[in-house]
Amino acid sequence: GNSVTQMEGPVTLSEEAFLTINCTYTATGYPSLFWYVQYPGEGLQLLLKATKADDKGSNKGFEATYRKETTSFHLEKGSVQVSDSAVYFCALLLMDSSYKLIFGSGTRLLVRP
Amino acid sequence: GAGVSQSPSNKVTEKGKDVELRCDPISGHTALYWYRQSLGQGLEFLIYFQGNSAPDKSGLPSDRFSAERTGGSVSTLTIQRTQQEDSAVYLCASSANREGGTDTQYFGPGTRLTVL
Repeated sequence: GNSVTQMEGPVTLSEEAFLTINCTYTATGYPSLFWYVQYPGEGLQLLLKATKADDKGSNKGFEATYRKETTSFHLEKGSVQVSDSAVYFCALLLMDSSYKLIFGSGTRLLVRP
Repeated sequence: GAGVSQSPSNKVTEKGKDVELRCDPISGHTALYWYRQSLGQGLEFLIYFQGNSAPDKSGLPSDRFSAERTGGSVSTLTIQRTQQEDSAVYLCASSANREGGTDTQYFGPGTRLTVL
């Protein structure tokens, strides 16, 4: 079946530290990949996406590269801020599957000053 | 412009009662989705509407759950005879779903349902 696996949280970092949140997927087709973010008390927002192999999505200093050979879409940021504290969800979408998003379990990030 | 809106923001109900949750998608978006976010199950797909096509109901957990979309816009998710395990945040999303199908899904703020 189709699924997304994310690293367990919480991830606790000091401000300006380097962030990596691992995400791997299993898919019967050729998915598009997404990172969504949920800030405290807010709804889900798209952070970045990539629709084909070797594409790099980027936004707000975050990056993720679609790696077909390792079925991965790891999220990275070079220098995190306290305001990045949130829950991050990796997700895939298959066009032959009602375009529904299949989400990972989410990774909570806590950035300390 | 206006985003996806949902109402109510919070709903507390007693076990066995019926509830209706409403979603107003972004104007012009042809695709509408319902998801559920719960502690035990994470984020799960429930149902998908696309234009006038028959909805994909494959994610509905039981026949107590139903949804409709009137006039290709507003959607209502109905849960009959609510159970405690229905407690969750119910999220609605919409997208333009132009050719290719990878358009961004925009999420509403959700309805937090608590079944006592």
